[in-house]
Parts: sequence; structure tokens; C-alpha cells
Amino acid sequence: DAKTTQPNSMESNEEEPVHLPCNHSTISGTDYIHWYRQLPSQGPEYVIHGLTSNVNNRMASLAIAEDRKSSTLILHRATLRDAAVYYCILTSGGGADGLTFGKGTHLIIQP
Amino acid sequence: NAGVMQNPRHLVRRRGQEARLRCSPMKGHSHVYWYRQLPEEGLKFMVYLQKENIIDESGMPKERFSAEFPKEGPSILRIQQVVRGDSAAYFCASSPPGWAAGYTEAFFGQGTRLTVV
Repeated sequence: DAKTTQPNSMESNEEEPVHLPCNHSTISGTDYIHWYRQLPSQGPEYVIHGLTSNVNNRMASLAIAEDRKSSTLILHRATLRDAAVYYCILTSGGGADGLTFGKGTHLIIQP
Repeated sequence: NAGVMQNPRHLVRRRGQEARLRCSPMKGHSHVYWYRQLPEEGLKFMVYLQKENIIDESGMPKERFSAEFPKEGPSILRIQQVVRGDSAAYFCASSPPGWAAGYTEAFFGQGTRLTVV
């Protein structure tokens, strides 16, 4: 079973910021937080990952709570192409425990 | 640098036949992962392989399913005697060492959609 909890769906307007939450209350010290997204009929696409500090890249930002029990993926200016299912997963230890994705959050973008 | 290549994209098999799904990892990637996705579901981990080695197959059904990643050539997911319940999208990902440990990312293929009739 996935070790993360995400809302089933969220809705946002085009050109506005989107904050996608993820709870991972059982996270261990060596767990990395990864985000992927899956557009319709496509394979998942890497978005961002981090361990403790907040991370930024060209796609998004990742804000990690100080106790690391939750994190938020931030899309700074959503476009219609950002409509997808977003998955938050934890990976660590080299084992397969963290490699199962839950159902993710279905992000709907309104024009 | 081509991405992860999966073929075929679509595969139709009759009940009882064998299905072979192929995955060519990105150049330089030594690890391959197979996932199954049922409609409206998340991705379920099946197996994780290194060249000529199965690292973790805890998600693989005990019967009819097998996977390999030979020294040369693509990784193969093989499903013998397919049943209707095997109909799903099968995704392959590849990475350098370290994705399962967390410090690198994995890249996914476009998937093979298997339909069993």
C-alpha cells in the first residue's frame, strides 16, 4: 500500500497557482519525497523530488514541512496542459516498499 | 537520447495465449521497473530488475507472470495463459541506480495496453 495520502481531486483556474498537498505521517528519516504526474493515456512523468529542504525546478516547487510529515507541490501558474493525475510517493532504502503509487490527485484546470 | 521505449503500444490476446511486453530502458540506465495500472486505479508495482538480476518481485503474481532483463536486449514481462483480469496498462520505468533509494528519478515509457478477449 502507498505510504502517502492525497485528495482525490482538486480544481483550479488557468494562470493561477495550484497547491497540491500530500500527507506522509509515517515518513522515515531516509525517505525521499517524489512527485510524478500522469497525463491522460500517457506514462507518468517526473516532476520533482526532495528530502528535507524546499526544492525548485522549471516545472514546480516542492515545499516540505519542517517535521516532514507533509509536503506541497506548487505549480506557480497553472495551464490547461497541467491537467493530470499527480502522485506523491516516498522512496528509500533501495526496496520496493515506496515504489507503489496511490490513486493520486486528479487536477482539473478550468479555462 | 531516446526515452524509455515500450512495445507494442497495444496488444490484444485471446484467453489462454501468452503476452510478451518489451521495454528498452534509457541509454545508461541499469535498472528497470514494471507497473500495472487498472482503469481508474493508481500504478501498482510489480517487479524491479537490474541487468540479469531480479532485485524485488514482491508485486508480481505468483503464477503466470515472469520478468527478465538480459545482459543484451530489452526487459521482457511475460504473461502466460492470459485471463480477462490481466487486461490493463503495463508501464515500464528505468533509472540509474538509486531511484528505489530515493536520490535519483525514474523515467517511464508510454505503456502497453493489453486487452484480453
